[in-house]
Amino acid sequence: AQSVTQLDSHVSVSEGTPVLLRCNYSSSYSPSLFWYVQHPNKGLQLLLKYTSAATLVKGINGFEAEFKKSETSFHLTKPSAHMSDAAEYFCVVSANTGFQKLVFGTGTRLLVSP
Amino acid sequence: GAVVSQHPSWVICKSGTSVKIECRSLDFQATTMFWYRQFPKQSLMLMATSNEGSKATYEQGVEKDKFLINHASLTLSTLTVTSAHPEDSSFYICSARDPSGDWNEQFFGPGTRLTVL
Repeated sequence: AQSVTQLDSHVSVSEGTPVLLRCNYSSSYSPSLFWYVQHPNKGLQLLLKYTSAATLVKGINGFEAEFKKSETSFHLTKPSAHMSDAAEYFCVVSANTGFQKLVFGTGTRLLVSP
Repeated sequence: GAVVSQHPSWVICKSGTSVKIECRSLDFQATTMFWYRQFPKQSLMLMATSNEGSKATYEQGVEKDKFLINHASLTLSTLTVTSAHPEDSSFYICSARDPSGDWNEQFFGPGTRLTVL
């Protein structure tokens, strides 16, 4: 079975400062991991995904995440926050063996102040 | 990337009526689509998996007679909320797999906000 824990329900940063959104996963199989962003009343947009290739994954809008198997983590980072980054972020896990359902974390709301 | 649309984007209905939500894959054929439900400030919960030409697979605790899913073509899945009640008010999001792409990636629609009065 797969599960994912997002350690922070809210993260507040100032514009121009680094962003760190934390995610830990649990998976019985080699996992696929995703980060999605959701702006208010909008659908989900894929930021990046890890599927057993390079452990450092670069995504859109300057975001990146590093898969650390020893720590069962997949934290999302960005060097410099922008006001438009304010949104809800979901860490998602799926097994990497055949088709499996996506399991969503509870989400982290990123707040960016001027 | 692949595009998934939903219609309507929002709907308000009276208690006891039925509401149909459409999910379309616009530039690919989706053999599998998914329906999620999201309560305010909560995560997405998978309701059912919809396979073209066959019955949907519902998650535990989801009433299949209340949430009717039809996947009649490779580009369209519909979710019908029957005899809607205020507790059915929620944000419903569909997604689809592109069989020609990564097998484990889903493309999400913009969602439909249902309000039952």
